[in-house]
Amino acid sequence: SYELTQPPSMSVSPGQTARITCSGDALPKKYAYWYQQKSGQAPALVIYEDSKRLSGIPERFSGSSSGAVATLTISGAQVEDEADYYCYSTDRSGNQWVFGGGTKLTVL
Amino acid sequence: EVQLLESGGGLVQPGGSLRLSCEASGFTFSSYAMSWVRQAPGKGLEWVSGISGSGDTTYYADSLKGRFTISRDNSKNMLYLQMSSLRADDTALYYCASWKKYCTSINCYFYFDYWGQGTLVTVSS
Repeated sequence: SYELTQPPSMSVSPGQTARITCSGDALPKKYAYWYQQKSGQAPALVIYEDSKRLSGIPERFSGSSSGAVATLTISGAQVEDEADYYCYSTDRSGNQWVFGGGTKLTVL
Repeated sequence: EVQLLESGGGLVQPGGSLRLSCEASGFTFSSYAMSWVRQAPGKGLEWVSGISGSGDTTYYADSLKGRFTISRDNSKNMLYLQMSSLRADDTALYYCASWKKYCTSINCYFYFDYWGQGTLVTVSS
C-alpha cells in the first residue's frame, strides 16, 4: 500500500525556520496537502495543492514540492505553532488516500 | 455554521460489530463527498473510507480488507460507517469529515475541510 514518509519529530527555537518533509513515490504527479493538529483538537488544513496557503493561515507557513518530496516550511516559528503536522495525498490510482505518519513540532 | 456530530462509538468485543453515525448540518449535504478518518490513541491520522455526494461511489483504505462499509442517507443528512470483525487495532477516535472534491485538467483530488470532534471506539474483551 502507498505510504508517505515524514520525520517523527522536530524541534526549533522561536524565530527559527522549521522545514518538515514528506516523501512519496506519487508526489511528482500528485498534490500534497498539509494539516496541523494541536493537542486535543481536530486537524485543520494549512496548505493545499503543494504550496497554496488557506485563507487565514499566517504567511510564515509555506509549502513547496520537488520531485518525490513535499516540504512544509514555517519561517520564524512561534510557540503557538507547536503541533503535529501531517502531509496527505493520494496514490497513482487516485483511489487510495493516505496521511504521512506525522511530525511533532516542538517550539521552545 | 457547518457542524458534524459523530455518535455510536463505545466498547465492543473483538470480532464484534458497530455502526457509527455522523449528523451533518450547515451545508448542502448531498453536494459533498464525506469521509471517515481515525486516530488511534497517541498515533497518527489514518484515512478509512470515503463516499461521493450521491452515494454511488465509495472508497476504502486497502488495509480494511472489506470489514467496513460506508453509506449515507441524504434525506436525513447522515453518514454511516458499519464496522465488523473488529480487532484491537481498530481502537481509535473516528472522525467524520467533509471531503471536498475538485478536478484539475489532469487529476481529481479530495481534501478534508470540516471535521467533527470524533467518537471513540474501543475494541477490547
